[in-house]
Amino acid sequence: GQQLNQSPQSMFIQEGEDVSMNCTSSSIFNTWLWYKQEPGEGPVLLIALYKAGELTSNGRLTAQFGITRKDSFLNISASIPSDVGIYFCAGSTNTGNQFYFGTGTSLTVIP
Amino acid sequence: GEEVAQTPKHLVRGEGQKAKLYCAPIKGHSYVFWYQQVLKNEFKFLISFQNENVFDETGMPKERFSAKCLPNSPCSLEIQATKLEDSAVYFCASSQFLNTEAFFGQGTRLTVV
Repeated sequence: GQQLNQSPQSMFIQEGEDVSMNCTSSSIFNTWLWYKQEPGEGPVLLIALYKAGELTSNGRLTAQFGITRKDSFLNISASIPSDVGIYFCAGSTNTGNQFYFGTGTSLTVIP
Repeated sequence: GEEVAQTPKHLVRGEGQKAKLYCAPIKGHSYVFWYQQVLKNEFKFLISFQNENVFDETGMPKERFSAKCLPNSPCSLEIQATKLEDSAVYFCASSQFLNTEAFFGQGTRLTVV
């Protein structure tokens, strides 16, 4: 199956700092999705990307669909304590038969 | 409904017993995906459906796992003769069209003892 490499694996940052994380795939993707998961909950969709080069924002979150179609980036600006959680990227190829998931980035925000 | 509804939230089964999990996708969504999440947070794909048709079942351990999405009924994932290693959280997601945003349910935590 497709391999999605997500980095960094974990981040410890001060409140107010900006955060960047990324995902790379071994294959070309048609769709990139970014999720946040908190303990005991299901993943919550943050941003969906559908075109190479697309840059989409959702509040303090901004994500980009890489121009090679093999990577995606998520940035969080001015982090706050409620940003704590695990962030996952997910992508699908043109067949759309499944979404492949990254291994997650665990974010800790220190007040 | 407006959200993916999974039941039950928790399920405990003795080793060898059957487990059945349910998922009601968002109304109007044609695609359903099942994933297994274990302690390392890894999402393992199990199976996907396009309406009531199996779309991709390459992740299913076919000997003991089966799944259905029948019209006018919640989708189901059934595990016959559960094993300790089946303990995990099982998530269902749905999307309206091919390759579009997928929304997840709250999951079912299965514990096999």
